[in-house]
Amino acid sequence: ETGVTQTPRHLVMGMTNKKSLKCEQHLGHNAMYWYKQSAKKPLELMFVYNFKEQTENNSVPSRFSPECPNSSHLFLHLHTLQPEDSALYLCASSLGSNTQYFGPGTRLTVL
Amino acid sequence: AQSVTQLDSQVPVFEEAPVELRCNYSSSVSVYLFWYVQYPNQGLQLLLKYLSGSTLVKGINGFEAEFNKSQTSFHLRKPSVHISDTAEYFCAVSEDRDDKIIFGKGTRLHILP
Repeated sequence: ETGVTQTPRHLVMGMTNKKSLKCEQHLGHNAMYWYKQSAKKPLELMFVYNFKEQTENNSVPSRFSPECPNSSHLFLHLHTLQPEDSALYLCASSLGSNTQYFGPGTRLTVL
Repeated sequence: AQSVTQLDSQVPVFEEAPVELRCNYSSSVSVYLFWYVQYPNQGLQLLLKYLSGSTLVKGINGFEAEFNKSQTSFHLRKPSVHISDTAEYFCAVSEDRDDKIIFGKGTRLHILP
């Protein structure tokens, strides 16, 4: 599925850095999601946006800050991360039927 | 609360043999069920989904799954696997009218030559 793109694909950052992950969907969907995928753990839902409004925040630490300026774009702003935040961050989008379409992910390494 | 259990973390299968990946769910209301596949270094790709209607669902790449309400299962099957099927497979459940999907822990499918 090439309808959801994520940049960058790989990111290495220090604990004091500030960076942003970008997600863009070209499917005309109205909902967008951020997930965290760590080794040996289930996929963790972080944030949900519906029509640009945040409808879910699963107790995510404040060092992760989402932004959804419109229904096609979703950002995840990162600052003062910890090594345990290293993971694959996946973006997804959906329209009504709950079927979510995923991007390729950003592999984040925090040093 | 809804949950998903994938009973096998890894399944080794010889090439051209059949495979079944097991998935059980729990929910008190009607559900939507999904199987996603994740190839190495990629995101999740939808294999198939059950929303309503026929309980036997056919997906991409020759996979199919059967919804069994009495056993609360949604097992994934393929009659003959190929080396290119090497990937991790995730079962997921969503309750009706809910925009959240709960994923299982995944099953890694190893295809043996």
